[in-house]
Amino acid sequence: QSALTQPASVSGSPGQSITISCTGTSSDVGGHKYVSWYQQHPGKAPKLMISQISNRPSGISSRFSGSKSGNTASLAISGLQAEDEADYHCSSYSSAGTPVVFGGGTKLTVL
Amino acid sequence: QVQLVQSGAEVKKPGASVKVSCKASGYTFTSPDINWVRQATGQGLEWMGWINPNSGNTGYAQKFQGRVTMTRNTAINTAYMELSSLTSEDTAVYYCARVGPSNKWPDFDYWGQGTLVTVSP
Repeated sequence: QSALTQPASVSGSPGQSITISCTGTSSDVGGHKYVSWYQQHPGKAPKLMISQISNRPSGISSRFSGSKSGNTASLAISGLQAEDEADYHCSSYSSAGTPVVFGGGTKLTVL
Repeated sequence: QVQLVQSGAEVKKPGASVKVSCKASGYTFTSPDINWVRQATGQGLEWMGWINPNSGNTGYAQKFQGRVTMTRNTAINTAYMELSSLTSEDTAVYYCARVGPSNKWPDFDYWGQGTLVTVSP
Protein backbone atom coordinates (compact mmCIF):
# COMPACT_ATOMS: atom_id res chain seq x y z
CA GLN A 1 0.00 0.00 0.00
CA SER A 2 1.50 3.30 -1.13
CA ALA A 3 1.75 6.33 1.14
CA LEU A 4 0.18 8.66 -1.45
CA THR A 5 -3.15 7.93 -3.13
CA GLN A 6 -3.57 8.21 -6.88
CA PRO A 7 -6.38 7.00 -9.13
CA ALA A 8 -5.48 3.70 -10.76
CA SER A 9 -6.35 4.95 -14.22
CA VAL A 10 -7.50 7.97 -16.20
CA SER A 11 -8.24 8.38 -19.88
CA GLY A 12 -8.82 11.06 -22.45
CA SER A 13 -9.02 11.61 -26.18
CA PRO A 14 -6.32 13.33 -28.21
CA GLY A 15 -6.48 17.09 -27.76
CA GLN A 16 -8.37 16.88 -24.48
CA SER A 17 -7.09 17.76 -21.01
CA ILE A 18 -6.87 15.49 -18.00
CA THR A 19 -5.89 15.84 -14.35
CA ILE A 20 -4.31 13.26 -12.05
CA SER A 21 -4.63 13.72 -8.30
CA CYS A 22 -2.23 12.70 -5.56
CA THR A 23 -3.51 12.79 -1.99
CA GLY A 24 -1.32 12.61 1.07
CA THR A 25 -1.23 14.16 4.52
CA SER A 26 0.06 17.26 6.26
CA SER A 27 3.33 15.36 6.86
CA ASP A 28 4.04 15.02 3.18
CA VAL A 29 2.10 16.65 0.30
CA GLY A 30 0.36 19.22 2.48
CA GLY A 31 3.37 20.17 4.54
CA HIS A 32 5.83 21.70 2.06
CA LYS A 33 6.62 22.33 -1.61
CA TYR A 34 8.64 19.21 -2.43
CA VAL A 35 6.24 17.28 -4.64
CA SER A 36 7.36 15.77 -7.94
CA TRP A 37 5.71 13.95 -10.82
CA TYR A 38 7.25 11.25 -13.00
CA GLN A 39 6.23 9.79 -16.34
CA GLN A 40 7.09 6.14 -16.99
CA HIS A 41 6.64 4.32 -20.28
CA PRO A 42 6.52 0.50 -20.23
CA GLY A 43 9.92 -1.01 -19.62
CA LYS A 44 11.55 2.39 -19.15
CA ALA A 45 12.89 4.34 -16.19
CA PRO A 46 10.79 7.14 -14.70
CA LYS A 47 11.28 10.63 -16.14
CA LEU A 48 10.97 13.79 -14.04
CA MET A 49 8.13 15.95 -15.41
CA ILE A 50 7.38 18.34 -12.54
CA SER A 51 9.40 19.26 -9.46
CA GLN A 52 8.56 21.36 -6.40
CA ILE A 53 4.82 21.23 -7.12
CA SER A 54 4.84 23.20 -10.38
CA ASN A 55 8.34 23.57 -11.85
CA ARG A 56 9.01 22.04 -15.26
CA PRO A 57 12.58 20.85 -15.86
CA SER A 58 14.25 21.97 -19.05
CA GLY A 59 12.81 20.21 -22.09
CA ILE A 60 9.45 19.32 -20.57
CA SER A 61 6.46 20.50 -22.60
CA SER A 62 4.33 23.35 -21.24
CA ARG A 63 1.35 21.03 -21.75
CA PHE A 64 2.32 19.55 -18.37
CA SER A 65 1.56 21.58 -15.24
CA GLY A 66 1.40 20.94 -11.52
CA SER A 67 -0.48 22.44 -8.61
CA LYS A 68 -1.37 21.77 -5.00
CA SER A 69 -4.29 22.46 -2.71
CA GLY A 70 -4.10 21.33 0.89
CA ASN A 71 -3.01 17.69 1.04
CA THR A 72 -3.67 17.03 -2.65
CA ALA A 73 -1.31 17.68 -5.52
CA SER A 74 -2.41 17.52 -9.14
CA LEU A 75 -0.80 16.98 -12.52
CA ALA A 76 -2.63 18.44 -15.51
CA ILE A 77 -1.92 17.51 -19.11
CA SER A 78 -3.46 19.60 -21.86
CA GLY A 79 -3.70 18.83 -25.57
CA LEU A 80 -3.33 15.09 -24.99
CA GLN A 81 -1.09 13.30 -27.46
CA ALA A 82 -0.62 9.60 -28.12
CA GLU A 83 2.89 9.69 -26.65
CA ASP A 84 1.48 10.88 -23.31
CA GLU A 85 0.08 7.40 -22.74
CA ALA A 86 2.15 6.13 -19.79
CA ASP A 87 2.13 5.61 -16.04
CA TYR A 88 2.41 8.73 -13.89
CA HIS A 89 3.80 8.65 -10.36
CA CYS A 90 3.66 11.37 -7.75
CA SER A 91 6.27 11.66 -5.02
CA SER A 92 6.72 13.83 -1.97
CA TYR A 93 9.18 14.57 0.76
CA SER A 94 7.80 13.38 4.09
CA SER A 95 8.65 14.64 7.57
CA ALA A 96 7.26 11.47 9.15
CA GLY A 97 9.33 8.31 8.84
CA THR A 98 10.61 7.51 5.33
CA PRO A 99 11.64 10.85 3.79
CA VAL A 100 10.58 10.01 0.23
CA VAL A 101 7.14 8.57 -0.47
CA PHE A 102 5.44 7.67 -3.73
CA GLY A 103 1.92 7.15 -4.97
CA GLY A 104 0.81 3.87 -6.48
CA GLY A 105 0.89 5.29 -9.99
CA THR A 106 -1.83 6.20 -12.49
CA LYS A 107 -2.14 4.63 -15.92
CA LEU A 108 -3.07 7.24 -18.52
CA THR A 109 -4.78 5.90 -21.63
CA VAL A 110 -5.12 8.12 -24.68
CA LEU A 111 -8.23 6.85 -26.45
CA GLN B 1 25.66 14.03 -21.22
CA VAL B 2 24.68 12.70 -17.82
CA GLN B 3 24.31 8.94 -17.74
CA LEU B 4 23.73 6.36 -15.04
CA VAL B 5 24.42 2.84 -16.30
CA GLN B 6 23.44 -0.09 -14.11
CA SER B 7 24.64 -3.67 -14.00
CA GLY B 8 22.71 -6.49 -15.62
CA ALA B 9 19.84 -8.65 -14.47
CA GLU B 10 20.36 -11.06 -11.57
CA VAL B 11 18.68 -14.26 -10.46
CA LYS B 12 19.14 -15.18 -6.82
CA LYS B 13 17.92 -17.84 -4.45
CA PRO B 14 16.03 -16.98 -1.28
CA GLY B 15 18.40 -16.03 1.52
CA ALA B 16 21.12 -14.85 -0.83
CA SER B 17 22.40 -11.30 -1.37
CA VAL B 18 22.56 -9.17 -4.50
CA LYS B 19 24.80 -6.21 -5.32
CA VAL B 20 23.73 -3.79 -8.05
CA SER B 21 26.09 -1.18 -9.48
CA CYS B 22 25.38 2.24 -10.96
CA LYS B 23 28.16 3.87 -13.01
CA ALA B 24 27.89 7.63 -13.45
CA SER B 25 29.30 9.72 -16.26
CA GLY B 26 28.90 13.21 -17.68
CA TYR B 27 29.02 15.09 -14.37
CA THR B 28 30.99 15.37 -11.14
CA PHE B 29 30.15 12.11 -9.40
CA THR B 30 30.84 13.39 -5.90
CA SER B 31 28.36 16.24 -6.05
CA PRO B 32 24.72 15.09 -6.00
CA ASP B 33 23.39 12.28 -3.83
CA ILE B 34 22.49 8.98 -5.44
CA ASN B 35 19.21 7.37 -4.37
CA TRP B 36 17.91 3.86 -4.92
CA VAL B 37 14.28 3.13 -5.81
CA ARG B 38 12.68 -0.20 -6.61
CA GLN B 39 9.55 -1.27 -8.44
CA ALA B 40 7.90 -4.68 -8.27
CA THR B 41 6.10 -5.78 -11.43
CA GLY B 42 2.88 -3.82 -11.89
CA GLN B 43 3.46 -1.88 -8.68
CA GLY B 44 4.42 1.65 -7.69
CA LEU B 45 7.85 3.00 -6.89
CA GLU B 46 9.44 2.42 -3.49
CA TRP B 47 12.30 4.50 -2.09
CA MET B 48 15.10 2.52 -0.47
CA GLY B 49 17.74 5.04 0.57
CA TRP B 50 20.52 7.41 -0.45
CA ILE B 51 24.27 7.80 -0.47
CA ASN B 52 26.39 10.91 -0.66
CA PRO B 53 29.20 9.92 -3.03
CA ASN B 54 31.55 12.52 -1.55
CA SER B 55 31.34 11.59 2.13
CA GLY B 56 29.94 8.09 1.84
CA ASN B 57 27.17 9.03 4.27
CA THR B 58 24.01 7.00 3.83
CA GLY B 59 20.38 6.93 4.91
CA TYR B 60 18.01 4.01 4.54
CA ALA B 61 14.27 3.55 4.61
CA GLN B 62 13.26 1.90 7.87
CA LYS B 63 11.82 -1.04 5.94
CA PHE B 64 15.29 -1.96 4.66
CA GLN B 65 17.38 -1.10 7.74
CA GLY B 66 19.75 -3.94 8.55
CA ARG B 67 19.33 -5.53 5.15
CA VAL B 68 20.59 -2.88 2.70
CA THR B 69 24.05 -1.39 2.32
CA MET B 70 24.88 1.46 -0.06
CA THR B 71 28.49 2.16 -0.95
CA ARG B 72 30.50 3.94 -3.60
CA ASN B 73 33.87 3.87 -5.32
CA THR B 74 34.84 7.40 -6.34
CA ALA B 75 37.82 6.15 -8.38
CA ILE B 76 35.43 4.60 -10.90
CA ASN B 77 32.40 6.85 -10.38
CA THR B 78 30.22 3.96 -9.29
CA ALA B 79 27.60 3.55 -6.59
CA TYR B 80 26.46 0.20 -5.25
CA MET B 81 23.37 -1.14 -3.51
CA GLU B 82 23.57 -4.50 -1.76
CA LEU B 83 20.45 -6.19 -0.41
CA SER B 84 20.74 -9.30 1.75
CA SER B 85 18.43 -12.06 3.03
CA LEU B 86 16.46 -11.95 -0.19
CA THR B 87 12.90 -13.26 -0.40
CA SER B 88 10.44 -13.47 -3.26
CA GLU B 89 9.08 -10.10 -2.10
CA ASP B 90 12.36 -8.53 -3.26
CA THR B 91 11.77 -9.49 -6.89
CA ALA B 92 11.70 -6.10 -8.58
CA VAL B 93 13.46 -3.67 -10.88
CA TYR B 94 15.99 -1.62 -8.94
CA TYR B 95 16.85 1.91 -10.10
CA CYS B 96 19.54 4.35 -9.11
CA ALA B 97 18.60 8.01 -9.46
CA ARG B 98 20.51 11.26 -9.07
CA VAL B 99 19.17 14.17 -7.04
CA GLY B 100 18.73 17.20 -9.30
CA PRO B 101 20.18 20.71 -9.04
CA SER B 102 17.74 21.70 -6.30
CA ASN B 103 19.45 19.11 -4.08
CA LYS B 104 16.04 18.36 -2.64
CA TRP B 105 14.06 15.16 -2.37
CA PRO B 106 12.29 13.91 -4.44
CA ASP B 107 13.77 15.75 -7.44
CA PHE B 108 15.48 12.87 -9.24
CA ASP B 109 16.56 14.25 -12.60
CA TYR B 110 18.48 11.30 -14.03
CA TRP B 111 17.79 7.61 -13.58
CA GLY B 112 19.63 4.43 -14.43
CA GLN B 113 18.02 2.01 -16.86
CA GLY B 114 17.02 -0.35 -14.07
CA THR B 115 18.25 -3.78 -12.98
CA LEU B 116 15.82 -6.69 -12.70
CA VAL B 117 16.47 -8.83 -9.65
CA THR B 118 14.55 -12.09 -9.57
CA VAL B 119 14.45 -14.16 -6.39
CA SER B 120 13.46 -17.74 -7.11
CA PRO B 121 14.15 -21.12 -5.45
